[in-house]
Amino acid sequence: DIQMTQSPSSLSASVGDRVTITCRASQGISNYLAWYQQKPGKVPKLLIYAASTLQSGVPSRFSGSGSGTDFTLTISSLQPEDVATYYCQKYNSAPIFTFGPGTKVDIK
Amino acid sequence: QLQLQESGPGLVKPSETLSLTCTVSGGSISSSSYYWGWIRQPPGKGLEWIGSIYYSGSTYYNPSLKSRVTISVDTSKNQFSLKLSSVTAADTAVYYCARLSEQGDGGYYMDVWGKGTTVTVSS
Repeated sequence: DIQMTQSPSSLSASVGDRVTITCRASQGISNYLAWYQQKPGKVPKLLIYAASTLQSGVPSRFSGSGSGTDFTLTISSLQPEDVATYYCQKYNSAPIFTFGPGTKVDIK
Repeated sequence: QLQLQESGPGLVKPSETLSLTCTVSGGSISSSSYYWGWIRQPPGKGLEWIGSIYYSGSTYYNPSLKSRVTISVDTSKNQFSLKLSSVTAADTAVYYCARLSEQGDGGYYMDVWGKGTTVTVSS
């Protein structure tokens, strides 16, 4: 089975900071990677799919990159409303999924 | 606008079967473009994919749950359902249903989610 890891597990940054979260797959997964944002007590929300495609309606300060085994989610200028846990998720050509453990983002 | 709504008992006894239904509104579950899925989240923990189903009934299950999970679809009611047997306290979680959209070159991502329903396993 392909395992997903994320780093860091949590971070604290100031408003306006550039924030980067890393996701790593134990084997190559091409660009079959999505990122989700889950605010406290809320439903997960799709941010990015195909590693770098921004979902409609998601602010442009969010971006994704990577292919193969290493991926990043970047928030170019952290806003207070970005406080959340961020999950990466790998998928296959079939609808089979594995989530990463999550990265909790707070405001310093 | 597509909406998904989970429904079912909020309390299930240990060793019994958890049964949930997801009702799709604002769109057809029979669309060839989508799969439909179940995901869960234990209290204070991360997300776990349970399984996926196509309107034709084709299914994929998480290997760690496969022996206990059945997902079915009822196109006449625009619903799909989850059954999880022999539940224990470890199955206590928020259960979400979601639409799975195709990436285009293969692959599916979860772009529309239900609000989730909390299921507690306790006697």
